[in-house]
Amino acid sequence: DVKVTQSSRYLVKRTGEKVFLECVQDMDHENMFWYRQDPGLGLRLIYFSYDVKMKEKGDIPEGYSVSREKKERFSLILESASTNQTSMYLCASSLAGERYEQYFGPGTRLTVT
Amino acid sequence: AQKITQTQPGMFVQEKEAVTLDCTYDTSDPSYGLFWYKQPSSGEMIFLIYQGSYDQQNATEGRYSLNFQKARKSANLVISASQLGDSAMYFCAMRGDNTDKLIFGTGTRLQVFP
Repeated sequence: DVKVTQSSRYLVKRTGEKVFLECVQDMDHENMFWYRQDPGLGLRLIYFSYDVKMKEKGDIPEGYSVSREKKERFSLILESASTNQTSMYLCASSLAGERYEQYFGPGTRLTVT
Repeated sequence: AQKITQTQPGMFVQEKEAVTLDCTYDTSDPSYGLFWYKQPSSGEMIFLIYQGSYDQQNATEGRYSLNFQKARKSANLVISASQLGDSAMYFCAMRGDNTDKLIFGTGTRLQVFP
């Protein structure tokens, strides 16, 4: 069974803290994605990785960085968390190719106080 | 720039009735793909159906079908025989040419009542 897991379902951090969100997939997928989801805005792509150590900026990369040292793991890093980064963060993975759907993790609800 | 528009923030449907969720898109790519996802209150995103821009027939998956009208740039999701478990947020998404990235719409919240 296909699986994407995220390190935490809920996370509370203070302004200025460095935050790591981890995502692991067990499907040997080439692609991995990080989105944030906010009410009324849908899902917005933060970063995309198409291979180990390879990444592309999405629509809203400011304030975020990513790391993909192994194929199965994709980390999202908030270097200095701010209150406007309070959101739901969703990780996804997919095979490379136009017809392949993305598989999503359960999400991490991050609150920055 | 590519864009997905879902104009219905919320929809209601009675159990066992059919419902159509609207999605229009804008792209200049000659080849693209359209996806629909369901997000129940538990939060996980569930893939429902895919339509390629060059597919000859409209996609169907069980009770889900995609009404693809290329000239009108619309890709509406039709759910037949609605069930209470269909109550969820539904997102339309598009993948452009030569990319595996998706652009999502803002979603439609569907509520099915008995």
